[in-house]
Order: sequence, then structure tokens, then C-alpha cells
Amino acid sequence: GENVEQHPSTLSVQEGDSAVIKCTYSDSASNYFPWYKQELGKGPQLIIDIRSNVGEKKDQRIAVTLNKTAKHFSLHITETQPEDSAVYFCAAGYRDDKIIFGKGTRLHILP
Amino acid sequence: ETGVTQTPRHLVMGMTNKKSLKCEQHLGHNAMYWYKQSAKKPLELMFVYSLEERVENNSVPSRFSPECPNSSHLFLHLHTLQPEDSALYLCASSQDGSGSPEAFFGQGTRLTVV
Repeated sequence: GENVEQHPSTLSVQEGDSAVIKCTYSDSASNYFPWYKQELGKGPQLIIDIRSNVGEKKDQRIAVTLNKTAKHFSLHITETQPEDSAVYFCAAGYRDDKIIFGKGTRLHILP
Repeated sequence: ETGVTQTPRHLVMGMTNKKSLKCEQHLGHNAMYWYKQSAKKPLELMFVYSLEERVENNSVPSRFSPECPNSSHLFLHLHTLQPEDSALYLCASSQDGSGSPEAFFGQGTRLTVV
């Protein structure tokens, strides 16, 4: 079955700097890679996703890259702000099959 | 919010109690999920229901019993739990067959077993 590894587990970044979270997956059939943000006291919410027919996707300050050959994908947050502090989860899945989550990264934005 | 509502938000129960967690989705989705979130395993899939049929049971102990009476409601019945079952239980829903498997999560039920 699918296995998703996520690094780092904790990340502290100065406000205004960039943050990068990396994930690897094991099942080469996976073609859907969502990223979720979980704020304190809330459930995870989708912030961006990418499918295997594209290599990069951007949405304002958030971008995700995918390298299918190496089976890894990354989340990039630029110009970080205090409200970016949260736990971020990557995930991998195949079409409508269940998606497998990474263990999460706790991001701290330092003032 | 996300269209997925979980009740209660917080629950404290003794090991001999029986309680139920409730999840309701207002998104017209046909698949619903229970996840357990703890420090050891941040997002652990427990059960999957698709079109009201259980399609996944990830080796979950029998003290957890799911029920899906219709596509909008999902329950998790709890009995004789252990302290290590204390965790955040998250419900999610998605639309199978649409090619967009995005999962929408509820806010979770924080369960404490004493």
C-alpha cells in the first residue's frame, strides 16, 4: 500500500521568509497530491492540490511542486505571515481511492 | 464552515461507558470517513463508507463500531474504551466517482477516556 513520509516534523521560520515542506510517496500509481492545513481547534482544510499531469501549481503565496520520477512533492510558502502558523499535512492517493496522509509538519512563524 | 459537522466537540467518558460520536455532511457527498488523530499517528484512517457501505476497516478494535444510516450521517459507537483511545476523532466526506477526491473534514471530537 501507499506510504507517505513528510519532513520536517517541526519548522520555525522568520516572518517574511519562505517555508518548504517535503514529502515522498511509495506507490507510483498515485496521481493526486493534496496539502491540508490544520489550525488549532479545527479539522484539516485543503489549501492546494496537484495532479500528476502537472509539475508545479501556484496559488498566491503557496506553490506545490511534483517530481513523479523521484516520487516526491513539496509545499512552498513565500512571504510567510503569522496566520501561516499551523500544522500542514501532505497526502497521496489514486483517483477516488483513499488518500494516505503524512505525519504532519508544525510550522511556527516567528515575529 | 466546511459543510461537515461533528458532535459533540468534546467528550469525557469512563472505560465502562457507551457513547456515540455523530457526523453530518451537507455537501451531497457519497463517501464518509472516520480518522483518529493523536500524537503518535497524526492522521490514521479508521473506516470508510462509500454509498452507505463499509469499504474499509483498517484493523480497528471492535470497541469502535461505525454506522452509516444514510449518505449524510455517520456515527462512531464507542464502548469499553481504553485510556490510549483518547484522541481527536475526525470525520470527513468526499464525492467518489467525481475525479476530485478532495476530503472535507469536520472540526473533530476531542475524546478523553478516564
